[in-house]
Formats: sequence, structure tokens, C-alpha cells
Amino acid sequence: EVQLVESGGGLVQPGRSLKLSCLASGFTFSNYGMNWIRQAPGKGLEWVASISSSSSYIYYADTVKGRFTISRDNAKNTLYLQMTSLRSEDTALYYCAKLGLGYFDYWGQGVMVTVSS
Amino acid sequence: DIQMTQSPASLSASLGETVTIECRASEDIYSNLAWYQQKPGNSPQLLIYDANSLADGVPSRFSGSGSGTQYSLKINSLQSEDVASYFCQQYNNYPFTFGSGTKLEIK
Repeated sequence: EVQLVESGGGLVQPGRSLKLSCLASGFTFSNYGMNWIRQAPGKGLEWVASISSSSSYIYYADTVKGRFTISRDNAKNTLYLQMTSLRSEDTALYYCAKLGLGYFDYWGQGVMVTVSS
Repeated sequence: DIQMTQSPASLSASLGETVTIECRASEDIYSNLAWYQQKPGNSPQLLIYDANSLADGVPSRFSGSGSGTQYSLKINSLQSEDVASYFCQQYNNYPFTFGSGTKLEIK
């Protein structure tokens, strides 16, 4: 059974940093691209970043480019999202999602990030 | 960026009815479209991929169709467990983009 478990969220002040993690199990992590997708409270879904299986290809939404860094450790079956210079508009539930052939076939339960002073 | 225009924003229907949700892309996305269901308090779940392929474990009352820029999700014989928000997503190009969602309620 595929499981994706996010952690690392919390309350952080504007301008500060936070690092999210996503521990994967139930599939061969190193064979699949992975993504972060976020959902602001009561809002829709926004794709944030993608990383290919070997980290060769990385893509970001314009809203986070230059501030967020996606990475992975295939030995630890873990996906990361380093978030810096956080803004109030980054407040959201952050989901880790496994990439099928472009679509997201499995999602984690999400981790909440609140940016507020 | 490809814009995804989803309609309606909300929908109320009776049990047993058939409902349709539409998604229009700002350019041809060559059937690189997925539909997700998000039940209240839960993570989104994949329903349909490649515009018309049913994901594993999804009931056959769900179906997807369309091509080019116009796509739709149809739910036959609406059940109470179908109360959820539904989102389309294009994966033809980065950045991947989602529709704004449709909230489905039972009348």
C-alpha cells in the first residue's frame, strides 16, 4: 500500500524558513517523480514543485521560484521542500504527491503551514 | 501558462441523478487531463487520467470524456458518498494547473 506521510509544518513568522518532509513507502520511491501541491484554507489546489526520480529535472511554480527548493533522498525514501522568505500567502495545507504519467496518483494527508506574525 | 476554466463552481443534485462537470483549457492539452475528488476533510484522490481512463478502484459510474480544449466529468446515478469537491488538472505542460473546483452537494 502506497503511503505518503508529510511532516515539518507549523506556525512561522513572515520572512522565516521551514522545511517539509514526506516519507514514502509501499512503492519503489527512486523510480518515480514526486511533487508538492498546496491548498490555501477553503481554496483550490496549486501545484508548487516537481522533481524527477533522479533529481535531474526540477520545476517550480512562479509563485515560489527562488524561495522554495524541492529535493529528495532516494536512500531514505524522503521528499523535501525547503521554504525560505515565507509570506502570508504561503499559508496552506501542503500535500506530497506521487507522479504518475503527469497526473498525481497518490497523495499524502497534508501538513499545515501557517505564516503569521 | 495553461488556464483551466472549470464549471459550475457548485452543483446541487438529487440522489440517482446524472451530473456533468466541465473543464476548458486555454489551449490544446491533447487529453493530458486528470480529474480528482476531494471529500470534506480528506486529501484529493485520482478519479480519471488521460481524460477518460478510470483510476484503480473508482466506481464505473464515473466517466471522463473530451479532447482538445474541452473536457467533462460525468457522474451517473449520484450517490451520497459522491458529495465532494472535484478538480480538473492539465499535465500537458509545466506548470501543471488545476481548475478552480466544483463543489457537489445532494439536494
